[in-house]
Amino acid sequence: DGGITQSPKYLFRKEGQNVTLSCEQNLNHDAMYWYRQDPGQGLRLIYYSQIVNDFQKGDIAEGYSVSREKKESFPLTVTSAQKNPTAFYLCASIKQGPLSGNTIYFGEGSWLTVV
Amino acid sequence: GQQLNQSPQSMFIQEGEDVSMNCTSSSIFNTWLWYKQDPGEGPVLLIALYKAGELTSNGRLTAQFGITRKDSFLNISASIPSDVGIYFCAGQTWGDTGKLIFGQGTTLQVKP
Repeated sequence: DGGITQSPKYLFRKEGQNVTLSCEQNLNHDAMYWYRQDPGQGLRLIYYSQIVNDFQKGDIAEGYSVSREKKESFPLTVTSAQKNPTAFYLCASIKQGPLSGNTIYFGEGSWLTVV
Repeated sequence: GQQLNQSPQSMFIQEGEDVSMNCTSSSIFNTWLWYKQDPGEGPVLLIALYKAGELTSNGRLTAQFGITRKDSFLNISASIPSDVGIYFCAGQTWGDTGKLIFGQGTTLQVKP
């Protein structure tokens, strides 16, 4: 079945460590996104990529890095520079084009906790 | 930056009651989306709206794209316990494809 797969579902990070969250999609979607969600809050955009080998910062990119070497994959690295990384992270993708409606679909999310 | 104001922040209703929530913005959007999120899961798309004035239904859910393109509402009729969750509105503008602006969410609890 087609979909967006995030892993791991739960991740614990020690202070000072970098960690990488995986996002893979087999929907042949062009654009991929990473959002962060804090308890009781809406989603905030971290990074997005509309084509392979290109990506742009979202509203809260500081302390994060991404790569887009393949259309299917958009991993997010939470670096030690991110001072408050404990959150729920959501990956999303979209099929762009006038017939697609530009509707965005989400993965199931990854919980990151700093210990 | 652009912001969406979603209200109410939370609702606690009796099973069978109708529910209404809305989002307003100071900016014009070309697409309005409504999502439901269950605890610990990613948001799931409920309804997508693409034209001003559009009224769309999905089962017991009805959503409308405001004429001014600055607001949208979602109605749930005859609520049931599985409607419990957080509902988010999201807006999108041309030229910012995928850069959805999300509301703060409405937490819905349904009492059987």
